[in-house]
Amino acid sequence: ILNVEQSPQSLHVQEGDSTNFTCSFPSSNFYALHWYRWETAKSPEALFVMTLNGDEKKKGRISATLNTKEGYSYLYIKGSQPEDSATYLCALPNAGKSTFGDGTTLTVKP
Amino acid sequence: ETGVTQTPRHLVMGMTNKKSLKCEQHLGHNAMYWYKQSAKKPLELMFVYSLEERVENNSVPSRFSPECPNSSHLFLHLHTLQPEDSALYLCASSQGSSGGYEQYFGPGTRLTVT
Repeated sequence: ILNVEQSPQSLHVQEGDSTNFTCSFPSSNFYALHWYRWETAKSPEALFVMTLNGDEKKKGRISATLNTKEGYSYLYIKGSQPEDSATYLCALPNAGKSTFGDGTTLTVKP
Repeated sequence: ETGVTQTPRHLVMGMTNKKSLKCEQHLGHNAMYWYKQSAKKPLELMFVYSLEERVENNSVPSRFSPECPNSSHLFLHLHTLQPEDSALYLCASSQGSSGGYEQYFGPGTRLTVT
C-alpha cells in the first residue's frame, strides 16, 4: 500500500496571503503525481499532472513543484482569494492504481 | 451534455435492494474509474476500466459489481449492501489508464444504505 501524506490537514489564511502545502510519498517506483482541487458540492478538478523530477507547473496564481528523489511535491497559491477555498488533493497513480492523500483543506477569509 | 455525468445524484436503499449507479463521459476518453469516499477517509479507487476491459479491482467486495458496456458508459451494480457502504461514489475518466493523464470527475452519487 502506497503511503501518500498531505500536510497540513487544514489551513486558514486571509485574502491576499500566499500559502503552500505539501504532498509526501515514497520516492521508489514513482510514475506520476496529480494535484486536484475539490470545492464543496463540486467535482474534483485536475490542476496538474507532474512526471519529471524538478517539474514546475503553473496555472494562474497556483503553481507546483516536484522532487521525486526526496519524495515530495509543493503546491503554492499566490495572493489567495476566497474562491481558492477548497480541499487540495494529491494522488499517485501507478500501474492502474491511484492512491490519494487525505487532502489539505484551505479556507481563505475575505 | 459535456464532461462526466452521474445518475442518480442521491440514492437511499435498503440492505436487500438492488440498484445501479450510472456514469457517462462525453470526452472521448478510453479509461473510466469508480471511486468511493467515506466520511473522513481519502478517496479509494475501486475499479479501473481501460478500453472496456477491467484492469484493476482493488479488493472490492462482490456486492459491488461494475460493468463497462462501451468506452462512454460505466455502471456500478449494487446488491445486499451494508450500512458501512454509505458513501459518496465518484466516477472519473481519462484519456488513458497509465497514470500520466489527468482524470475528469463526475459530480458523484451520495449513497445511503439503511
